Amino acid sequence: EDQVTQSPEALRLQEGESSSLNCSYTVSGLRGLFWYRQDPGKGPEFLFTLYSAGEEKEKERLKATLTKKESFLHITAPKPEDSATYLCAVSGGYNKLIFGAGTRLAVHP
Amino acid sequence: GAGVSQSPSNKVTEKGKDVELRCDPISGHTALYWYRQRLGQGLEFLIYFQGNSAPDKSGLPSDRFSAERTGESVSTLTIQRTQQEDSAVYLCASSSPDPGGRSFGQGTRLTVV
Repeated sequence: EDQVTQSPEALRLQEGESSSLNCSYTVSGLRGLFWYRQDPGKGPEFLFTLYSAGEEKEKERLKATLTKKESFLHITAPKPEDSATYLCAVSGGYNKLIFGAGTRLAVHP
Repeated sequence: GAGVSQSPSNKVTEKGKDVELRCDPISGHTALYWYRQRLGQGLEFLIYFQGNSAPDKSGLPSDRFSAERTGESVSTLTIQRTQQEDSAVYLCASSSPDPGGRSFGQGTRLTVV
């Protein structure tokens, strides 16, 4: 059964304190791994898609990496505006995304 | 606006009533998805539409849930005889045939009292 596990559930950082969020997955025939950001009361906002082990993508202070079993979302020198819930999802087919429960990130000044 | 639009943004209904949620996808997006998000949890797949193909309904939790889509435009998700466990945020997303990122709407927060 396709499954996604994210850790930690919650993370509190000081502004400028770099860290990483983990997404472990099991899926039959990975077609893509997706990272989303979700702010309270809003729908998820697309960040990255990774398709194969070894792939990396960057956007501002965020960098996503992918191995055969997990993905990391690295946050470098975070700012308070990076506070959000970060969701990871995998696709074993084009029609479904299997989401993890998310990591709630709080960045304090 | 160019984004996915959902209405209403909030809905409070009495247990046993039927509700209808609406989603307007991004123009030109052939794929449309409905997800449910319970408080503090990840997104749960409900149903998927792709063009004129038969929808993938495998995520619908019971026969009280149904959805329709008119061509490649508006979709409605209907919940009949609502129960308290139906309380959640219902999110709609659309995408082009490329399996890249889906664009999500703001969601409809459903509260069954």
